[in-house]
Amino acid sequence: DAGVIQSPRHEVTEMGQEVTLRCKPISGHNSLFWYRQTMMRGLELLIYFNNNVPIDDSGMPEDRFSAKMPNASFSTLKIQPSEPRDSAVYFCASSFDTKNIQYFGAGTRLSVL
Amino acid sequence: GEDVEQSLFLSVREGDSSVINCTYTDSSSTYLYWYKQEPGAGLQLLTYIFSNMDMKQDQRLTVLLNKKDKHLSLRIADTQTGDSAIYFCAEGSSWGKLQFGAGTQVVVTP
Repeated sequence: DAGVIQSPRHEVTEMGQEVTLRCKPISGHNSLFWYRQTMMRGLELLIYFNNNVPIDDSGMPEDRFSAKMPNASFSTLKIQPSEPRDSAVYFCASSFDTKNIQYFGAGTRLSVL
Repeated sequence: GEDVEQSLFLSVREGDSSVINCTYTDSSSTYLYWYKQEPGAGLQLLTYIFSNMDMKQDQRLTVLLNKKDKHLSLRIADTQTGDSAIYFCAEGSSWGKLQFGAGTQVVVTP
């Protein structure tokens, strides 16, 4: 299996622009997680889905952030409008079994200028 | 709320053993995990332990769990330069979100 695939790997944008991050989970996995990693705050869970349904979005920083999972093989995280403080590495992870082992993608490094 | 704490930095000489410690607060956790993150990469599962076990060994890795004290440790035997990375401790149930620690930066020196 190719693992969790995230795109793009790097994104540089200007403040105020819309940013869309994409994730393809491992085939057969039924849970999907979006994380954000920064030096200051470490690894933060933003939102997670189970069977394509959002279960907990309490980590989403504010209304500028939204996430969707239209089907079992695709999810997006959108930031609109983006701000410099959104600069971070965003990870997507998926899991499927009762041991809840999460498999991480390589991440998207976002820089908002 | 739940919290997972670990020391931020560990320096170890090549060939020595490394021990990374972690404490957690959620006594209902079913599984405890150790993940490894290399520069520019995502987190990769190293090993996990079920909460009713007290030890698990996997090649150079030994996980010890003291459930009474809510203390988890990871021992890496014969540490190599390729073991330099950030190590994250995490706790969780059979599904849903995991609670991660802040990570321990391990630097292996020749």
